[in-house]
Amino acid sequence: DAGVTQSPTHLIKTRGQHVTLRCSPISGHKSVSWYQQVLGQGPQFIFQYYEKEERGRGNFPDRFSARQFPNYSSELNVNALLLGDSALYLCASATYGADTQYFGPGTRLTVL
Amino acid sequence: AQSVSQHNHHVILSEAASLELGCNYSYGGTVNLFWYVQYPGQHLQLLLKYFSGDPLVKGIKGFEAEFIKSKFSFNLRKPSVQWSDTAEYFCAVGSGNTGKLIFGQGTTLQVKP
Repeated sequence: DAGVTQSPTHLIKTRGQHVTLRCSPISGHKSVSWYQQVLGQGPQFIFQYYEKEERGRGNFPDRFSARQFPNYSSELNVNALLLGDSALYLCASATYGADTQYFGPGTRLTVL
Repeated sequence: AQSVSQHNHHVILSEAASLELGCNYSYGGTVNLFWYVQYPGQHLQLLLKYFSGDPLVKGIKGFEAEFIKSKFSFNLRKPSVQWSDTAEYFCAVGSGNTGKLIFGQGTTLQVKP
């Protein structure tokens, strides 16, 4: 079975731009969560979506938004990019909200 | 606030040595506990998990972990490490009701052949 897929793999943006990251969950999984991993640290929770509704939000500014589509794929949007947004953005899927999460390979975002 | 602490940031072992990585968490409710591993150039993979039942859980590749509720700990162990265990290891805690995972900062394990 295919695992969690994310696109793009790498992305370079400049300050002030916006970015959209995409995630496709494992087939049959209805929950998608987004995490930010800065170099040298563990992933930090950004959002969780389950059945197309936001079920949790981490301590991130309103510049960060997400949504989940009817096919359970998800997008993470970040507006007005800052240098500090440079990180690996991870998507994880689960059958339901509190079940085991399986991670994708991530999108490496560099903000110049 | 919920938090996860991994005591060892960088561990260097020789092959066949025993491994124990510490993980303590701060959370008052029902928790689900995980260890994830990130091999060089690969994505995060589930090593083992604890939801309920026997507090000693076994995972892939000979790893095990013990949940000690009174100590808020979930330490990872392996009796004999191999060079291929070189990786970064993350302890993570999820609350019983949501999918939010709180990760520790990770432990880099380097196994010398």
